[in-house]
Amino acid sequence: EIVMTQSPATLSVSPGERATLSCRASQSVSSYLAWYQQKPGQAPRLLIYGASTRATGIPARFSGSGSGTEFTLTISSLQSEDFAVYYCQQYNNWPPLTFGGGTKVEIK
Amino acid sequence: QVKLVESGGGLVKPGGSLRLSCAASGFTFSDYYMSWIRQAPGKGLEWVSYITSSGSTIYYADSVKGRFTISRDNAKNSLYLQMNSLRAEDTAVYYCARGSRYYAPGPNWFDPWGQGTLVTVSS
Repeated sequence: EIVMTQSPATLSVSPGERATLSCRASQSVSSYLAWYQQKPGQAPRLLIYGASTRATGIPARFSGSGSGTEFTLTISSLQSEDFAVYYCQQYNNWPPLTFGGGTKVEIK
Repeated sequence: QVKLVESGGGLVKPGGSLRLSCAASGFTFSDYYMSWIRQAPGKGLEWVSYITSSGSTIYYADSVKGRFTISRDNAKNSLYLQMNSLRAEDTAVYYCARGSRYYAPGPNWFDPWGQGTLVTVSS
């Protein structure tokens, strides 16, 4: 089973600042990585797939990068609606499909 | 628009059973693989099960294997999860989510997700 590790667990950022979230896989997942955003009381929403492709309707301030075992989600200028929990998920080696533990982006 | 609506959650005693349903609309249901994913209260996401578009191939997480059964009815645009021998640790919000199209070599990302249905296992 591929273990996905996200860091930090909590990121405190001021509105307008850049946020950088990390996701590490226990073995290579190539570029088969997705990112999701989850707000309180809501279902997760797909942001990025293929490590760097934005899903339909996702603003350009969200960008993904990386391959192999190291991945990054960058939010270039945080808006109020971006404060949420973010999860990565690998789909290179399955079953099982595995998620990271999440990074909570909170207002500083 | 593409929509997934789960139902069937509730309070059940340990050892009991529950059947979840997911009604799909706004897309050709029979073209897509589907999954169930759960989230325990205050915790992260855990993939539970996956079924191909025809229902011919199914995968389960080890934590539910032998207790849960995923199925689908393409004529009714519906996905199901039969949960037996429920345990306290099965308490979670259960989401259905759309996966790959039928021609994909395997599962990929999930988009969209339903709003979820809460299953509580407690005496």
